Amino acid sequence: EAAVTQSPRNKVAVTGGKVTLSCNQTNNHNNMYWYRQDTGHGLRLIHYSYGAGSTEKGDIPDGYKASRPSQENFSLILELATPSQTSVYFCASGGIQDYNNQAPLFGEGTRLSVL
Amino acid sequence: GQQVQQSPASLVLQEGENAELQCNFSSTATRLQWFYQRPGGSLVSLLSNPSGTKHTGRLTSTTVTKERRGSLHISSSQITDSGTYLCAMGMNNNAGAKLTFGGGTRLTVRP
Repeated sequence: EAAVTQSPRNKVAVTGGKVTLSCNQTNNHNNMYWYRQDTGHGLRLIHYSYGAGSTEKGDIPDGYKASRPSQENFSLILELATPSQTSVYFCASGGIQDYNNQAPLFGEGTRLSVL
Repeated sequence: GQQVQQSPASLVLQEGENAELQCNFSSTATRLQWFYQRPGGSLVSLLSNPSGTKHTGRLTSTTVTKERRGSLHISSSQITDSGTYLCAMGMNNNAGAKLTFGGGTRLTVRP
């Protein structure tokens, strides 16, 4: 069964600390995405990837790095976390170029609080 | 940049009533995607509709690409339909499969 798994599901971090959010997909999709969701803003794209070794900047990449070491794994890295990065983060895989224009599949989300 | 506006921001219905959710986008899209999100939950794809009208169950999606607008009609609403409905526009170009999301419509269906 197609799946996108995020870890951790909840995270509390301190300002200035490093945070790594992980995403694993078993769908053999080329494309993977990281979004954040905040009240009043819907989902906003942070980084995305076309495949292993590829990372691209989305619409709001500042303060974030991404890593795609393999087809299955895509990480979002906050080198110096700030309170403004408190949000719910969603990973997704798939999309237009994967499997006949099907919609991307989303993970359950990671709730991050930066204190 | 690309923008997607949804209306209304929130909607309260009695069970059995119909709902009409609107989505307007700022540039030509190759498709309009509708998602459902439970409170605190993940997103589930409902319909993908580049143009025209598509049906699935009690849902009807209509997209008028030239006018840069779309709508989602929910007929005979049920309590379990409560949640947030997100529309997203997709651009099928060299940028890959990026989706730009609207802010969502929060639907509450009461018994």
